[in-house]
Amino acid sequence: NAGVTQTPKFQVLKTGQSMTLQCAQDMNHEYMSWYRQDPGMGLRLIHYSVGAGITDQGEVPNGYNVSRSTTEDFPLRLLSAAPSQTSVYFCASSSHYTSAKNIQYFGAGTRLSVL
Amino acid sequence: TQLLEQSPQFLSIQEGENLTVYCNSSSVFSSLQWYRQEPGEGPVLLVTVVTGGEVKKLKRLTFQFGDARKDSSLHITAAQPGDTGLYLCAGAKDSGATNKLIFGTGTLLAVQP
Repeated sequence: NAGVTQTPKFQVLKTGQSMTLQCAQDMNHEYMSWYRQDPGMGLRLIHYSVGAGITDQGEVPNGYNVSRSTTEDFPLRLLSAAPSQTSVYFCASSSHYTSAKNIQYFGAGTRLSVL
Repeated sequence: TQLLEQSPQFLSIQEGENLTVYCNSSSVFSSLQWYRQEPGEGPVLLVTVVTGGEVKKLKRLTFQFGDARKDSSLHITAAQPGDTGLYLCAGAKDSGATNKLIFGTGTLLAVQP
């Protein structure tokens, strides 16, 4: 059971480059989200989705785009990378409809450096 | 705006010692969770508390939700090196359709053998 899979695990970009962080889950969860983790700041929500075709902004959405064309996939796009986007990015999923609502299952993260 | 503050931010103790981590907010949460994160991995859920005053035990870990549902604590008895990691609290503000969580600032625990 793979759970939540994130690729790549590591990435180095130059300022201004674009890239897509991939996230896939095999648990048929409705809810998916992207967080960034910076030292001393915990996890901050970037974007989230409550189902295919529905996305919304979180706490720190600027510089990031998302789309949700399928239940399984929720890619995060950096349009023009900036050094301030150097961080560890986590994707998570959870179910609306079970007693385990709000329990988030996380991927292993993508460590991104922007030079 | 950071709504959940954890203390202490760092904690280094010897094996066998007891410790308490605090998670405080001025906001009321419908439920609160504690996660543990090991290096190179994503956070993994330890427990969810949903009722004010609720106490849950998980082996040597005791979790408490404040009566007013604004704060929580995690107490570890006789800490072991395997308890080393980043502990994160997370509050849910909506009991409806969304699963949004607000994460705390984190407590990095190192247990020395």
